Amino acid sequence: GAGVSQSPRYKVTKRGQDVTLRCDPISSHATLYWYQQALGQGPEFLTYFNYEAQPDKSGLPSDRFSAERPEGSISTLTIQRTEQRDSAMYRCASSLAGSGGDNEQFFGPGTRLTVL
Amino acid sequence: GENVEQHPSTLSVQEGDSAVIKCTYSDSASNYFPWYKQELGKGPQLIIDIRSNVGEKKDQRIAVTLNKTAKHFSLHITETQPEDSAVYFCAASYSLMLTFGGGTRLMVKP
Repeated sequence: GAGVSQSPRYKVTKRGQDVTLRCDPISSHATLYWYQQALGQGPEFLTYFNYEAQPDKSGLPSDRFSAERPEGSISTLTIQRTEQRDSAMYRCASSLAGSGGDNEQFFGPGTRLTVL
Repeated sequence: GENVEQHPSTLSVQEGDSAVIKCTYSDSASNYFPWYKQELGKGPQLIIDIRSNVGEKKDQRIAVTLNKTAKHFSLHITETQPEDSAVYFCAASYSLMLTFGGGTRLMVKP
């Protein structure tokens, strides 16, 4: 596809369940980012990948959150033992390169997670 | 870490008027300042960006100014149109991580 895609678009789960969100970046893009966006707020950085390497996990709120990008393309974000405070929009973005002039980040439509 | 404040949170203007959104940042190391437009049901889309070696940048009806000394930057939209109605986010970065402001909901009344 031409842009970043995410699935599912909506996810409703019960507290304590695990969820996995998927991101399919623009195919030529080396760098992939995950953000959490609360209602009425700007996106907050969670983590990023440069190909399959994950140099920065500093934004992950707890060890219940993990992300993978095993082949340097598609990425998943997994939240274990979900809590109500995890309810948010989760956005994925990708950029052509990680530095220099090609770091414009292209965002996907997001996955809205609701934890009941 | 970086902290970005954005004002106002909502802005209502008449079609044809100008709109100005202001952001301040805390980390003097930040050197990249993008602005994103987010329409309902969509992800943020970059509309203009500026780097710290430039004080002003224009693209048709949109301009951004940067004052590194004061650590603030602004988005200016002239001749606003109803399709400019959206949520606008500023961001600041010195690495790959973007720190976003809280957003401004711009409403352009026809």
